Amino acid sequence: DSGVTQTPKHLITATGQRVTLRCSPRSGDLSVYWYQQSLDQGLQFLIQYYNGEERAKGNILERFSAQQFPDLHSELNLSSLELGDSALYFCASSVGAENTEAFFGQGTRLTVV
Amino acid sequence: GQQLNQSPQSMFIQEGEDVSMNCTSSSIFNTWLWYKQDPGEGPVLLIALYKAGELTSNGRLTAQFGITRKDSFLNISASIPSDVGIYFCAGRTTSGTYKYIFGTGTRLKVLA
Repeated sequence: DSGVTQTPKHLITATGQRVTLRCSPRSGDLSVYWYQQSLDQGLQFLIQYYNGEERAKGNILERFSAQQFPDLHSELNLSSLELGDSALYFCASSVGAENTEAFFGQGTRLTVV
Repeated sequence: GQQLNQSPQSMFIQEGEDVSMNCTSSSIFNTWLWYKQDPGEGPVLLIALYKAGELTSNGRLTAQFGITRKDSFLNISASIPSDVGIYFCAGRTTSGTYKYIFGTGTRLKVLA
């Protein structure tokens, strides 16, 4: 158990809908990262938050947004969902903003039908 | 999206054999991490490397941070069936963006 908690584990929704994925980082970790992993693909970095502020942005679509709350949990919002958004979404956390090891949650499997 | 070149893409080996895989980049990295991912699970951190030339072991696993800072290697000695999975390298650049870039993964299958 990495200490990073993601909910829900599975999500099935229809195209055009909006969903929210939740992540609770490890105790003491200030950074949260979101990654997308499509079938048999590597991990694509979406966005990083550090202590409530956006720190780095990757290949995140405009339909997607994220935030980190004062209690350091984070939410990834996916809207106007398309079939191609079906993937595993992982959250990771680390202590610092840079040069520190990141620990992953078990992921949320999103299926868009 | 940006990814590291990781090789081999997949490998079948006999139980007891040693395994080597590597990751290369056109960018200089200041951190290398190696992860293992089991099906349907999140990646689990195996080894972290912070200095060029650093050699670090974790049980039967040994990883090295390349001298050029553009590559890293992972070796698994005396493989066992539970080594099966996908191994990812991840690097953090020095460009100040503070994000990890992941390799394309090496899928390892161990034949008993």
